[in-house]
Parts: sequence; C-alpha cells; structure tokens
Amino acid sequence: DTEVTQTPKHLVMGMTNKKSLKCEQHMGHRAMYWYKQKAKKPPELMFVYSYEKLSINESVPSRFSPECPNSSLLNLHLHALQPEDSALYLCASSQLANNEQFFGPGTRLTVL
Amino acid sequence: RKEVEQDPGPFNVPEGATVAFNCTYSNSASQSFFWYRQDCRKEPKLLMSVYSSGNEDGRFTAQLNRASQYISLLIRDSKLSDSATYLCVVPGAGSYQLTFGKGTKLSVIP
Repeated sequence: DTEVTQTPKHLVMGMTNKKSLKCEQHMGHRAMYWYKQKAKKPPELMFVYSYEKLSINESVPSRFSPECPNSSLLNLHLHALQPEDSALYLCASSQLANNEQFFGPGTRLTVL
Repeated sequence: RKEVEQDPGPFNVPEGATVAFNCTYSNSASQSFFWYRQDCRKEPKLLMSVYSSGNEDGRFTAQLNRASQYISLLIRDSKLSDSATYLCVVPGAGSYQLTFGKGTKLSVIP
C-alpha cells in the first residue's frame, strides 16, 4: 500500500473559522510533511515531522498549527486564516533512509 | 546559481516525439535526485529516483552529470498521457528537505 490519504478534498472557510486538515499513511514511514502549493508554483515546505517530533518549521504563521498524534497521522489545524492562504495543501511521507516522498491528493482550501 | 533551475517551457511536441528536459542544481553535496510529474490540480507523483549516474524505466531515462551539476529526463515515443508538468527535485540543505524546481510543462499534441 503506497498511499497517502487526505481529508477533506475541498474546504471553504471564513476568516474566523477553525478547521483541521487530516493526513494518514500506512507505509511505515517515519517522516511526514505539510506543503502549500499555489497555482503554477512548486510546493513550498511548511512543516516536517520525524519520529512524531516537529523537526522543521519553515517560518509558517501561527495561524497554522501542525500536530502528529502518531506515526501514521498528521493534522494541520487552521485558525483565523487570510484569503491569501487559499491554496492546495499537500501532505507527504517518506522513509528516513532516503528522501523519496509520496504525496497525498491534497486539500484544496478556499478562504473567504 | 539558483538551488534548482529548470526550463519552464512549455514544450509542445507531437505524439511519438522524443523530448528532453534539463535541470541544474547548486548543492554539490546532493546524493539523490528525483523527477516528479504533476497533472493539473493533482498531487506530484514520483516518476524516477536517481542515485548514481542514471536510471531507466521504459520510455523514461534520467541521467545525472555530477561534474556539471545537472540532471536530465528523456521521454521517448511521447504519449498524450505524458502531458503534465515535470518537477526536478533535489535534497536541500537540511535533513528531509527537498528543493523543487519550478517545473517544466509538457504538452503532447495529437
């Protein structure tokens, strides 16, 4: 099973809402990632978890809050977002020995 | 030199053509390299990994030139389904980080 799943597929939220994005993998990978991708741009790394510990936070605003409840799950909690945060949010996972990252289908987020 | 640089294209080629993309990178310590393809409004999918001088998988061949710090992807006998954006990806300075090129758009025309 080489699949990373993400829910929801689409999300529309207002600037005062609180919502969460979810990601799951069952490949035994110990590194998980959140990326943000705007149209016609490459993915931008937001957070990296290795062994369920946050190892990289690429200066992301605090309105994005990641959480890794266990080695298979990764959440991204959203609060007080801005319209410019509208994007495709991608989750990925990889083994630690190499860096082949496998991406989920993404959540397309629209902030009104 | 930028960390990862690709020709953005677009490359418009007829079915059956051979097309090559090049990618240059700045981190001479990088040991592994990746090509991903991304369809419109979809996630990036791993196409090929390159750990030594090159890799071949059917119609796709990736070559690595460490001395000149570039990677190439060759697609032979192009199919309509090859139309996508091809992302060159190189490990970044930190652990587990990947640096993505901006992508090269390929359109295969009937």
